[in-house]
Amino acid sequence: DVKVTQSSRYLVKRTGEKVFLECVQDMDHENMFWYRQDPGLGLRLIYFSYDVKMKEKGDIPEGYSVSREKKERFSLILESASTNQTSMYLCASISPTGAQPQHFGDGTRLSIL
Amino acid sequence: GENVEQHPSTLSVQEGDSAVIKCTYSDSASNYFPWYKQELGKRPQLIIDIRSNVGEKKDQRIAVTLNKTAKHFSLHITETQPEDSAVYFCAAMVVGTYKYIFGTGTRLKVLA
Repeated sequence: DVKVTQSSRYLVKRTGEKVFLECVQDMDHENMFWYRQDPGLGLRLIYFSYDVKMKEKGDIPEGYSVSREKKERFSLILESASTNQTSMYLCASISPTGAQPQHFGDGTRLSIL
Repeated sequence: GENVEQHPSTLSVQEGDSAVIKCTYSDSASNYFPWYKQELGKRPQLIIDIRSNVGEKKDQRIAVTLNKTAKHFSLHITETQPEDSAVYFCAAMVVGTYKYIFGTGTRLKVLA
């Protein structure tokens, strides 16, 4: 069974801080994704990565960056946290073998004060 | 751009009744449509999926139907139980990528 692990379930940070959210998957998947989840808005794609050192912007990349130095790890970075980035962040990965389900981590609930 | 609309946003049913959630997608080339269930405080989990070469798929009390011409697909849950209470998301895969476009979710409440 695929395991996607996010480093923190809950995180509280202050405005202006640089914030790192970490995600690790154990199935050697090339494709990894970062979403944010807000009530009434569903899951919105922030960034995704097809392979190590590759990244592509999703629908709402502003204020975020990502890092993919190793295949199993995909990091989301909030360069200078703002209160409107308070949200639930979900990481997912998918096998590149045709149409397959994405597998999600447990999520990180991030509060920016 | 690609879009997935999901209705209703909330749905309350009596235990034992059926529930239907509908999604419409914009990209006619989409070929994979998963449905996820997210219980409170938990990760989204795949409950059923359908590929574009199939019109219907069933798994016990859950079924999904796909109408490619109309570009919509639906989740059907029969004999609902309190443990079916959750938020359900539909999604469509963007062809040529592994990206999904998600619907905005349906909060299902099954009343005992």
